[in-house]
Amino acid sequence: EDQVTQSPEALRLQEGESSSLNCSYTVSGLRGLFWYRQDPGKGPEFLFTLYSAGEEKEKERLKATLTKKESFLHITAPKPEDSATYLCAVGQYGGATNKLIFGTGTLLAVQP
Amino acid sequence: EPEVTQTPSHQVTQMGQEVILRCVPISNHLYFYWYRQILGQKVEFLVSFYNNEISEKSEIFDDQFSVERPDGSNFTLKIRSTKLEDSAMYFCASSFDRAYEQYFGPGTRLTVT
Repeated sequence: EDQVTQSPEALRLQEGESSSLNCSYTVSGLRGLFWYRQDPGKGPEFLFTLYSAGEEKEKERLKATLTKKESFLHITAPKPEDSATYLCAVGQYGGATNKLIFGTGTLLAVQP
Repeated sequence: EPEVTQTPSHQVTQMGQEVILRCVPISNHLYFYWYRQILGQKVEFLVSFYNNEISEKSEIFDDQFSVERPDGSNFTLKIRSTKLEDSAMYFCASSFDRAYEQYFGPGTRLTVT
């Protein structure tokens, strides 16, 4: 069965304290690994797409990496405004489209 | 910056009633999706739509659900006879290419009483 597992479920950091979030997956026919940020009561906001092992993407304090079995979202010197739930999703082709299979997310709280 | 919009933001309905959730995807996108998120749970795929037809649907998407793209801009999800367990946040998403990232709308919170 296709699965996406994120850890930890929740993470509390002090402002400036760097850390990493993990996303491990087992899926047949991976068609992209996607990271999203979700604020309470809002829709997922796209952050990164990774397609192949070894690929890395960066945006401000965030950096996403991909191996054959997992992805990491590294947060460098986080600020309180980085507090949110971070969602990992894998794409899987079905017919003409690419459905996303989501993990349960990591709830990040950054304390000032 | 283009964005996906959804209306209404919150819908309250009684069990057994029909609801229509509306979405306006990003204008040059070709692939359309509905997902839902029950409070405290993960985002779940419901249905995908391309070239004016359903491409894939999940087990959740039974005969009570239907989707339509009535014109060049709107994309709707209809639930014919709502159940209590349909209470959730419903998200519309769109992408330009099936391999590319999907952009999500702000969601419609559906409450069935």
